[in-house]
Amino acid sequence: GAVVSQHPSWVICKSGTSVKIECRSLDFQATTMFWYRQFPKQSLMLMATSNEGSKATYEQGVEKDKFLINHASLTLSTLTVTSAHPEDSSFYICSALTSPPDTQYFGPGTRLTVL
Amino acid sequence: AQSVAQPEDQVNVAEGNPLTVKCTYSVSGNPYLFWYVQYPNRGLQFLLKYITGDNLVKGSYGFEAEFNKSQTSFHLKKPSALVSDSALYFCAVRLSGSARQLTFGSGTQLTVLP
Repeated sequence: GAVVSQHPSWVICKSGTSVKIECRSLDFQATTMFWYRQFPKQSLMLMATSNEGSKATYEQGVEKDKFLINHASLTLSTLTVTSAHPEDSSFYICSALTSPPDTQYFGPGTRLTVL
Repeated sequence: AQSVAQPEDQVNVAEGNPLTVKCTYSVSGNPYLFWYVQYPNRGLQFLLKYITGDNLVKGSYGFEAEFNKSQTSFHLKKPSALVSDSALYFCAVRLSGSARQLTFGSGTQLTVLP
């Protein structure tokens, strides 16, 4: 149990375009999901907390107009990188929170490359 | 503010030997502690957690961790390492209560040598 999927697993796009990443909890409902960004050989940086039916909470320094988060159902959260630039290239990982017992389960990640 | 320290960037151990990956934490309250493992180009896999109760926590793939409140540590251990255990390991902490965000350590690359 507690499986989280992400789609796509990798994406290459041109600068200026928008990219949508989906995060799904496959066998449980998650009122809270999280979006992280990871640079090579570094730890995870929390970008935002996504709550079903309400606005996401963004961490300091994360542009909410650039990284649009929608948590429309108890099993799906989406992250849209708008007007992507090469510096947005990164590994994006989502997690979903079980409740209880309050454990985050992570998706396999999405590798975004912006040309 | 809460923080997690993983003092070793890299740990090397011979196959069959015991392994330890160190983690210390700092929180102002009761901590929830977690260990995750990450294989290359993959997300994090949950290994184990400490919430309350027994200080020795057993998790997936033969891993265990011991919560030591006086030393504020939560070291990950395994009695006999496998080559397939080679991966990046993250310790994480959050406070009990309403805040659900995890704070991660910097990660420790474990290499098990055949």
